[in-house]
Amino acid sequence: DTAVSQTPKYLVTQMGNDKSIKCEQNLGHDTMYWYKQDSKKFLKIMFSYNNKELIINETVPNRFSPKSPDKAHLNLHINSLELGDSAVYFCASSPSKLSYNEQFFGPGTRLTVL
Amino acid sequence: EDQVTQSPEALRLQEGESSSLNCSYTVSGLRGLFWYRQDPGKGPEFLFTLYSAGEEKEKERLKATLTKKESFLHITAPKPEDSATYLCAVQADIMNRDDKIIFGKGTRLHILP
Repeated sequence: DTAVSQTPKYLVTQMGNDKSIKCEQNLGHDTMYWYKQDSKKFLKIMFSYNNKELIINETVPNRFSPKSPDKAHLNLHINSLELGDSAVYFCASSPSKLSYNEQFFGPGTRLTVL
Repeated sequence: EDQVTQSPEALRLQEGESSSLNCSYTVSGLRGLFWYRQDPGKGPEFLFTLYSAGEEKEKERLKATLTKKESFLHITAPKPEDSATYLCAVQADIMNRDDKIIFGKGTRLHILP
């Protein structure tokens, strides 16, 4: 059983398009996260939701909007895609908020903007 | 500025050749330091958490240590399956908000058989 799953695994799109990445966890965790890993391999936290409530919102353009329909799902919608958005996006979950030592990561979604 | 720096960027070792990876940090109010392992094409996998200077954690061939300014990940008699990128991250208390996590760039470790 996959603990944290993301779809799609690869996403290639044109500049200016709108796209979504979906994430689901079956661990029963309360908290979910979105991270961006750029070409230089830096992993940066973008958002975190705890029980469907936004608790972390780092300096991210307004074109990025997370949505948590329930605590097992955290989707990421990106409007007006730009070249600089190309990266690998990781979803993660943890039992409670800020329990970074108990995070489980998904396999990542490689987004390429042409 | 809060920062996490890992060195070296890449390390090639022969199987059985022990070495150490370094993670230095310049944050105030350290809440925890984490080590993760990341295999190519996969998400990071949690290894250790260290909370205070002097603390050590061990798992198989890996041992993590922490001082006030840096952490070391010691690898003893590594095997080819230890090849991966090792990421260090810190959770810092910024302006009474302890939610910030900062990752280093990682060290790519390659163990030759």
